[in-house]
Amino acid sequence: DVKVTQSSRYLVKRTGEKVFLECVQDMDHENMFWYRQDPGLGLRLIYFSYDVKMKEKGDIPEGYSVSREKKERFSLILESASTNQTSMYLCASRTGAGASGANVLTFGAGSRLTVL
Amino acid sequence: DQQVKQNSPSLSVQEGRISILNCDYTNSMFDYFLWYKKYPAEGPTFLISISSIKDKNEDGRFTVFLNKSAKHLSLHIVPSQPGDSAVYFCAARGSQGNLIFGKGTKLSVKP
Repeated sequence: DVKVTQSSRYLVKRTGEKVFLECVQDMDHENMFWYRQDPGLGLRLIYFSYDVKMKEKGDIPEGYSVSREKKERFSLILESASTNQTSMYLCASRTGAGASGANVLTFGAGSRLTVL
Repeated sequence: DQQVKQNSPSLSVQEGRISILNCDYTNSMFDYFLWYKKYPAEGPTFLISISSIKDKNEDGRFTVFLNKSAKHLSLHIVPSQPGDSAVYFCAARGSQGNLIFGKGTKLSVKP
């Protein structure tokens, strides 16, 4: 069964700490994405990557950075965590350009981050 | 400005009846529309999609209808089951190929 694995399901961090959220997919997908989900706000795109070493800003990139050194791994970095970054973080992947049909996103189980 | 809108934050339905979840969009260039289902503490899972050139797609108990002139789509679940209780997200695929999600509708199916 194809999978997107997020290494940490629950994290508690303090304001100002550096936070790494790791995501690994085993589907050989080119494209990877980081979203955050907040009640009443839906899923908002933070960053995405169409290929190794590539990254693009999404709708809410402020306070975040990403790293994609290998095709299967996409990391989200909070340089200095703040309380307004308390959220559910969701990683997703899909095949790249040229795919037919809807080219569905496959999501990981999510990482619930609490910043105190 | 929201490009994909789910105006009902919640919906409650009796088991066995029909659930209808609605979604409106503003951009006529979207080429695919998708529905995702999300249980608490889990990631969203893909449910069903529809191409912008179709007006209906059916998969078992789930049917999605697309009305392009009204820029409206709906997800019908018949018959509804308690296990369908979840948050449902409507999404549209834009020009870059990225998905734009609505805010979600929480469906509660009561036994």
